[in-house]
Amino acid sequence: DIQMTQSPSTLSASVGDRVTITCRASQSTSSWLAWFQQKPGKAPKLLIYKASSLQSGVPTRFSGSGSGTEFTLTISSLQPDDFATYYCQQYNTYRGFTFGPGTKVDIK
Amino acid sequence: EVQLVESGGGLVQPGGSLRLSCAASTFSFSNSWMSWVRQAPGRGLEWVANIKPDGSEKYYVDSVKGRFTISRDNAKNSLFLQMNSLRAEDAAVYYCATEWWYTFNIWGQGTMVTVSS
Repeated sequence: DIQMTQSPSTLSASVGDRVTITCRASQSTSSWLAWFQQKPGKAPKLLIYKASSLQSGVPTRFSGSGSGTEFTLTISSLQPDDFATYYCQQYNTYRGFTFGPGTKVDIK
Repeated sequence: EVQLVESGGGLVQPGGSLRLSCAASTFSFSNSWMSWVRQAPGRGLEWVANIKPDGSEKYYVDSVKGRFTISRDNAKNSLFLQMNSLRAEDAAVYYCATEWWYTFNIWGQGTMVTVSS
């Protein structure tokens, strides 16, 4: 199985901070890596696809980078609406889709 | 607005069965790969199964193989998940989602499945 890890698991930050979340895969996932934001009681929301492509309607303070086995999600200036849990997700031809365990971003 | 609406969740005893439905509107459902993704209470996301637009290919996570069956009715813009031999660890919110660029761009609101005696 492909294992996904995210670091940190929890991140305490203030409005205006630059925030970076890292996602690592146990096997190369090429660039089929996406990032989601989820708030309590809500469905996940797609932020980034193909590792670095910004989904339509998502603020430009969100950006993604990386390839192979290491990827990052960066929020350039954290806003009040950004306090949430973030998941990475990869696709593998043989194993399907796998999500990372999540990173909770809370208020410092 | 593109919309997915799940239904069919509820309380079921271990070993029981449940059939989830997902109604799609305002997009080309019949041309879309569709998935079910679940989230156990307080836990992360887990992909469960997906199905090709014409229904000819279906894939499952290992933990549900042989117990769950994904299907679709393109004439009715509907996706289904038949869940048999349910276990406590299957308890979760189940989301249907459309696939796009090997990820999920549209999600329903989810339907809760509780497995308990």
